[in-house]
Amino acid sequence: NAGVTQTPKFQVLKTGQSMTLQCAQDMNHNSMYWYRQDPGMGLRLIYYSASEGTTDKGEVPNGYNVSRLNKREFSLRLESAAPSQTSVYFCASTGTSGMLIYNEQFFGPGTRLTVL
Amino acid sequence: AQSVAQPEDQVNVAEGNPLTVKCTYSVSGNPYLFWYVQYPNRGLQFLLKYITGDNLVKGSYGFEAEFNKSQTSFHLKKPSALVSDSALYFCAVNQGGKLIFGQGTELSVKP
Repeated sequence: NAGVTQTPKFQVLKTGQSMTLQCAQDMNHNSMYWYRQDPGMGLRLIYYSASEGTTDKGEVPNGYNVSRLNKREFSLRLESAAPSQTSVYFCASTGTSGMLIYNEQFFGPGTRLTVL
Repeated sequence: AQSVAQPEDQVNVAEGNPLTVKCTYSVSGNPYLFWYVQYPNRGLQFLLKYITGDNLVKGSYGFEAEFNKSQTSFHLKKPSALVSDSALYFCAVNQGGKLIFGQGTELSVKP
């Protein structure tokens, strides 16, 4: 049981390049999330997917797109990277049953992205 | 809008002493509150949560948190700190299935 996995662990991009961050969970969770972590700002929600087939914007969606490929996988795409997107990105999942407001989220190890 | 505040960027304690990491919240309706810990270069790990019931919630690694509705606080506590408790701690409130995080508190426990 690997939990939540993310690839890659590290990435350096040049301004304007594109890339996709991959996330997968093996806990049969319905909901998945993408956050970014910046110093002094905690974690901020970029996009989430409450269930397979749905995606919604979070607090900071500009410059990002997501795809819920299936129940296990949720990817985050940067179409044209900017230095302001330099951050650590975390994927999380939750919810096999019950109300989502009661359930803790499980986090992946993160992707450290630098945009030059 | 719901929000969480962690008033201390850093907390320093000596090993063996009690520790408190503070969190205050602002929500409409019932608060669903969580504490997470992040060790260096790792993802967040769930410590404990308050949904309803007893105001004192016990969690992983000997941590506990006290929910105080009148003071809108949810402070994290441990009776005797360990050096291995040194990490970044986040308080969060659940808003419709989405977590709203505080900015984090760096806990440093010295031998």
